[in-house]
Amino acid sequence: IAGITQAPTSQILAAGRRMTLRCTQDMRHNAMYWYRQDLGLGLRLIHYSNTAGTTGKGEVPDGYSVSRANTDDFPLTLASAVPSQTSVYFCASSETSGGTDTQYFGPGTRLTVL
Amino acid sequence: GQNIDQPTEMTATEGAIVQINCTYQTSGFNGLFWYQQHAGEAPTFLSYNVLDGLEEKGRFSSFLSRSKGYSYLLLKELQMKDSASYLCAVRDSNYQLIWGAGTKLIIKP
Repeated sequence: IAGITQAPTSQILAAGRRMTLRCTQDMRHNAMYWYRQDLGLGLRLIHYSNTAGTTGKGEVPDGYSVSRANTDDFPLTLASAVPSQTSVYFCASSETSGGTDTQYFGPGTRLTVL
Repeated sequence: GQNIDQPTEMTATEGAIVQINCTYQTSGFNGLFWYQQHAGEAPTFLSYNVLDGLEEKGRFSSFLSRSKGYSYLLLKELQMKDSASYLCAVRDSNYQLIWGAGTKLIIKP
């Protein structure tokens, strides 16, 4: 089934631990995105990639890193987790990064940092 | 700064019509999107406006006025399954989406 998958579905993590959230899409979309969603706030862009091999910083990149080694995968790494990184994380993709291209979202990862 | 404003919560009755407003102030404008998000789920695309006017898609319509920095989403013949949050997002001059906090719509029988 075409779409975006994310793993894990949820995770409880001790502060200071390293964590990688996985995201894979099979739609051959060029652009991919990582957002966090917190209660009362809009989705906030963490990092993005317009095409394989390139990445860029979004609105809230501090404490996070990404890589885009191929078209399908876009992992998000928290090098040393802090409680303020408790959130729901959504990965999204679009055919390109401009025009009318719609972003399609994965099911999300609910992360709790204690 | 960039800002998207939507009401936090609205309540409507099954079978009725509801209008959800969105006002925006962004650095540049390259289109406005509406997404629906059911509790605990991912956002899903509803509509896209880049020119002024009304776009109709079944029970849902979206309107845009670029000069006023204003959009609305109109939902007709409300059904219980329409209970969800509705997210307004604007694509800015860098082609990044700026998101509102969402409007939680509660449908009552």
